[in-house]
Amino acid sequence: DQQVKQNSPSLSVQEGRISILNCDYTNSMFDYFLWYKKYPAEGPTFLISISSIKDKNEDGRFTVFLNKSAKHLSLHIVPSQPGDSAVYFCAARRYNQGGKLIFGQGTELSVKP
Amino acid sequence: DVKVTQSSRYLVKRTGEKVFLECVQDMDHENMFWYRQDPGLGLRLIYFSYDVKMKEKGDIPEGYSVSREKKERFSLILESASTNQTSMYLCASSAGTGLGANYGYTFGSGTRLTVV
Repeated sequence: DQQVKQNSPSLSVQEGRISILNCDYTNSMFDYFLWYKKYPAEGPTFLISISSIKDKNEDGRFTVFLNKSAKHLSLHIVPSQPGDSAVYFCAARRYNQGGKLIFGQGTELSVKP
Repeated sequence: DVKVTQSSRYLVKRTGEKVFLECVQDMDHENMFWYRQDPGLGLRLIYFSYDVKMKEKGDIPEGYSVSREKKERFSLILESASTNQTSMYLCASSAGTGLGANYGYTFGSGTRLTVV
């Protein structure tokens, strides 16, 4: 039962353009959503998060949008840079399960110069 | 610089061996987690712990056990390693469980385990 889904295993964009990574979830009990970035041979690092009571959160080049009615969130990176090339994981937290996060399958982003 | 340290980056073990993966964090975090990462499957939770000597099963605990004798250390044990346990293992820690708290995990660098 995949409660958090990232249906695109990979995405390729040109440097300077927008990257949009998508994530769908099934559990309406999730109260926080997070994005992590992972380079090869390193652990994931926290990128940006959004509370379920908001629909947008912005941090520099990164913006996360949440559409609760559609159970969908997306990460926008503008402008994309070659250093953004990594695997991006969407994660969700259920409010009554403490700190446990449920992760999606990941999307590998490649930003070409 | 706060850290989660995993004892080995690469490990090769034989089928049937007992394998210990160690994880230490220096942030005084209450929560610690073990995940494995496999292509197309993302990060799957094996076990987690909210306190010393406390453990809970995640989504895929079969074939694994854990130990948390001290707050800073969380060990993952493969009782009898099998080839289907070849994977990248990631340890993480986080602080608190407060409702509405905006927190995430700090991950270690991972251990790439190969069982032959």
